Amino acid sequence: DGGITQSPKYLFRKEGQNVTLSCEQNLNHDAMYWYRQDPGQGLRLIYYSQIVNDFQKGDIAEGYSVSREKKESFPLTVTSAQKNPTAFYLCATRGGSGAGAPQHFGDGTRLSIL
Amino acid sequence: EDQVTQSPEALRLQEGESSSLNCSYTVSGLRGLFWYRQDPGKGPEFLFTLYSAGEEKEKERLKATLTKKESFLHITAPKPEDSATYLCAVQAGSSASKIIFGSGTRLSIRP
Repeated sequence: DGGITQSPKYLFRKEGQNVTLSCEQNLNHDAMYWYRQDPGQGLRLIYYSQIVNDFQKGDIAEGYSVSREKKESFPLTVTSAQKNPTAFYLCATRGGSGAGAPQHFGDGTRLSIL
Repeated sequence: EDQVTQSPEALRLQEGESSSLNCSYTVSGLRGLFWYRQDPGKGPEFLFTLYSAGEEKEKERLKATLTKKESFLHITAPKPEDSATYLCAVQAGSSASKIIFGSGTRLSIRP
């Protein structure tokens, strides 16, 4: 089945701890994105990658890091520098570079502070 | 500054009661406007892309329209299963990162 798999579904972080959220896709899409969603707010872009071994910061990259070593995988690390990490994290892919190509989303990881 | 605003924040309708959701935008160089549906605890599901003013797209009870300043998502004779949050997003310019999301409209349909 083609799609985007995010894991885990729920994650708890202790103070001072780094945690990594997984995003894997088998859609063969070049572009991948990480968004943060807070209640009552729109999706805010953390990082995006248009090609393997290359990625760019989004609007709220501070306290987060990513890697793109394989086309299929785009893991997000929430570092201890991110002081307010509690949120719903969404990974997306996008096939095609033309105008209007939609994004496709995984089912998210909900991160909470212990 | 590029901006996308959705209204209302929440909407409660009776089953069969038609209505519209609004997405107004201020961006330079619109490349596409997207509508998504999001169920609780899930990722957004793509519904439509609109490219230019005057364009319309339909899917079952949903119809999306676009003008130069806003888009409407019309819901005709809704059913309880249409209850969800509806998100609007806009791609501006040529950069892949410039996809700006609105904060969504929470739609609830009572049987």
